[in-house]
Amino acid sequence: AQSVTQLGSHVSVSEGALVLLRCNYSSSVPPYLFWYVQYPNQGLQLLLKYTSAATLVKGINGFEAEFKKSETSFHLTKPSAHMSDAAEYFCAVSKTGTASKLTFGTGTRLQVTL
Amino acid sequence: GAGVSQSPRYKVAKRGQDVALRCDPISGHVSLFWYQQALGQGPEFLTYFQNEAQLDKSGLPSDRFFAERPEGSVSTLKIQRTQQEDSAVYLCASSSGDTSYNEQFFGPGTRLTVL
Repeated sequence: AQSVTQLGSHVSVSEGALVLLRCNYSSSVPPYLFWYVQYPNQGLQLLLKYTSAATLVKGINGFEAEFKKSETSFHLTKPSAHMSDAAEYFCAVSKTGTASKLTFGTGTRLQVTL
Repeated sequence: GAGVSQSPRYKVAKRGQDVALRCDPISGHVSLFWYQQALGQGPEFLTYFQNEAQLDKSGLPSDRFFAERPEGSVSTLKIQRTQQEDSAVYLCASSSGDTSYNEQFFGPGTRLTVL
């Protein structure tokens, strides 16, 4: 079975500050890992994904994440927060190979203050 | 181009009513997924189609839930005899291929409220 744990259901940062959203995974097989963002009343949008090519993954809107197998982590970072980054962020894991379900964490709501 | 669309966007049902939720995937996408997102939670997998074949329905919570994709494009999720615990946002996602590498594109969801 696969699972992800997102530490911190709410994170608040000041505009311009570093964003760090934590995700730890559990998987008995090599996983694919994803970060999605969800704005109110909208579907999920893929920020970035790890598919075993490179451990440091760069995504859209200046976000990046690093896959650390030894720590079973895939934390999301952004050097400088912008007001428009305020949203709900979900980490997800899937098996590799044939198409399979995404298993999501419970989400982290990011608040950006002036 | 057009993304994944879902209808209706909002549905209110009385307990015991049947509901049908529609998903129009991106044209040509072979894979289609349904997820259920309860308030304050992450999406949870319900079922998966590859073209018209339902390859995984392990996430359907009860036999009141039924999904179909008869022609390999539009999909319908049907819930019979709705219960209050069925209140959630139902998300549909499609992807262009049949591997986990292919990105899943999500629709805006249908918010179901059962009174």
